[in-house]
This record gives sequence, structure tokens and C-alpha cells, in this order.
Amino acid sequence: GDSVTQMEGPVTLSEEAFLTINCTYTATGYPSLFWYVQYPGEGLQLLLKATKADDKGSNKGFEATYRKETTSFHLEKGSVQVSDSAVYFCALRGSNYKLTFGKGTLLTVNP
Amino acid sequence: DAGVIQSPRHEVTEMGQEVTLRCKPISGHDYLFWYRQTMMRGLELLIYFNNNVPIDDSGMPEDRFSAKMPNASFSTLKIQPSEPRDSAVYFCASSLVAGGYYEQYFGPGTRLTVT
Repeated sequence: GDSVTQMEGPVTLSEEAFLTINCTYTATGYPSLFWYVQYPGEGLQLLLKATKADDKGSNKGFEATYRKETTSFHLEKGSVQVSDSAVYFCALRGSNYKLTFGKGTLLTVNP
Repeated sequence: DAGVIQSPRHEVTEMGQEVTLRCKPISGHDYLFWYRQTMMRGLELLIYFNNNVPIDDSGMPEDRFSAKMPNASFSTLKIQPSEPRDSAVYFCASSLVAGGYYEQYFGPGTRLTVT
């Protein structure tokens, strides 16, 4: 079945540091890939998405590239801010309409 | 748009009581999903509907859980009887299957505590 593996946290960075959160997946066919973000006490919000190989999703300074050859969708940001502190979830949508989520990575950014 | 609306936001109940969680999806969306989030198990899909019809309930943990969608603008998740291990945050999400993206929009969640 479909599965998503993302790096376990927590990740703690200083403001303006570079962020990478690794995500790899297993799926049949050609899944769509997503990153969701969850701020404390809130539901998940879609951060960015990519629907086919080599697509790059981007939003709010975050980027991720759909790499079919390595089955990866790593999240990056060049300079994190305190306001980026949240839990980040990698997810895929396979041949049905269900999303399969990774376990989430807690990011804390210190001033 | 108001987004996905869930009620109540917080629910505290005693073991053995019936609990009903409510969800109003985004108008026009044709898919609705119920998730449960715990520290131990992460995000779990419980059940999802398409045009008010349950499609896959394989994630429902046991017979104590049931979900209905009587119309396109309302869904309920019921737990009867509730147990302490049901304590979690329950999310509802909806999506419109169009454009090939199928992105899901999540509600703020209901935090359930069963004592």
C-alpha cells in the first residue's frame, strides 16, 4: 500500500537558518504530493503541492520538488522565521482520493 | 468562504457516554473525510464520503464508531459508548474533485477528552 516516511523531529533552528525536512514515499502509479502545515491548536493547512515528476511546489518561501527517481519530496526554506514554528506533514494522494500522511515533523524556530 | 466548520471545538465526557461530533464542509465540495490525530498514531483516516455516500470506512476502529452524512452540508461522527482511549483530536476535511489536485481543506478540529 501507499506510505510516506518523513524525518522525525523535533527540529530546532535559529531564525534565518536553512531548513530541510526529508520526505520519501512508496506508491503505485503516479501520486500527487503535498506538504501540509499545522500551527498550534489549528487544523492542517495546505502549504504546497506537486502533481507530476519534476514539478516544484512553492509557497511562502517554502519549496519542494517531486523527484520520481528517488521517490522524494523534500521540503526546503532558505531562511526560516519564528512564525514558521509548526508541525509539517508530507502526504500523497494515490489512485483513490485518500491522503496518506507521514507522522509529522515538529519545527521550532528560535529568535 | 467560511471554510470547514466543526463543532464542538472541545468536548469532555465521561467513559460510557455518547459523543457526537459535527462537521459542515465547504459548500460545493463533494468529498468529506474524518480523521483522528493522536501523539501515538499520528493522523488516521477513519472514513470518507463521496456525494454523501460512505466510500471507505476501513479506518473506523470498531463498532462503537459510526458516521453519517444525511446531506451535502452536514456530517456527524458518533462514538457510543466512549472510552478513554478515544481521547484525540478529530478533524473533518472536504475537497472538490476538480482540476486534478484533490486538495483537502481541514476544519479546526474537535478535541475530545474521555475521562
